[in-house]
Amino acid sequence: TQLLEQSPQFLSIQEGENLTVYCNSSSVFSSLQWYRQEPGEGPVLLVTVVTGGEVKKLKRLTFQFGDARKDSSLHITAAQPGDTGLYLCAGAITTDSWGKLQFGAGTQVVVTP
Amino acid sequence: NAGVMQNPRHLVRRRGQEARLRCSPMKGHSHVYWYRQLPEEGLKFMVYLQKENIIDESGMPKERFSAEFPKEGPSILRIQQVVRGDSAAYFCASSPGFGTGELFFGEGSRLTVL
Repeated sequence: TQLLEQSPQFLSIQEGENLTVYCNSSSVFSSLQWYRQEPGEGPVLLVTVVTGGEVKKLKRLTFQFGDARKDSSLHITAAQPGDTGLYLCAGAITTDSWGKLQFGAGTQVVVTP
Repeated sequence: NAGVMQNPRHLVRRRGQEARLRCSPMKGHSHVYWYRQLPEEGLKFMVYLQKENIIDESGMPKERFSAEFPKEGPSILRIQQVVRGDSAAYFCASSPGFGTGELFFGEGSRLTVL
């Protein structure tokens, strides 16, 4: 059973389009992170959000943490082929367990030229 | 490259054999985490270690699996008497300390059990 549900599981879009990936849970998290994973490699951290309602921007990527700290979203503006990858959300239930992350199953994003 | 180093990258074992996966954390990092990624599933926490201590092993299967992080040398995840269900990618992550907010993952070790 996944504590964090990601949707959609797969997303294929054209270059220049926008996309949003969702990460939902019935549990409250002290912090939530987004990672990107390439085939054959380990996850690479994109962002950490810790405050309910927090919004962080990383170039064309916008991350939002829900007010109740149960959900999060990742929005990519004007997607590029280089954005292709598996996007994973991961949460820590308590600050003491910050490294013991609950991962979602991931959203595979494919951006075609 | 001073990143987290895992070896072997690929390991093939027959049922009943032992698998040993090694992880050298980033320089200066004393905290190591092991995660397992099964096909079509997210990463699952297995164990959290500091030098010579197992801090949290709540994600480790009760039998056949063990982990250590000795004073000298890499962290080792050991799987005895492997079964086909152990086939997965095993990732190690390290951090410089507790609560620092970022885990640095290695490239993983992919275990295939025939």
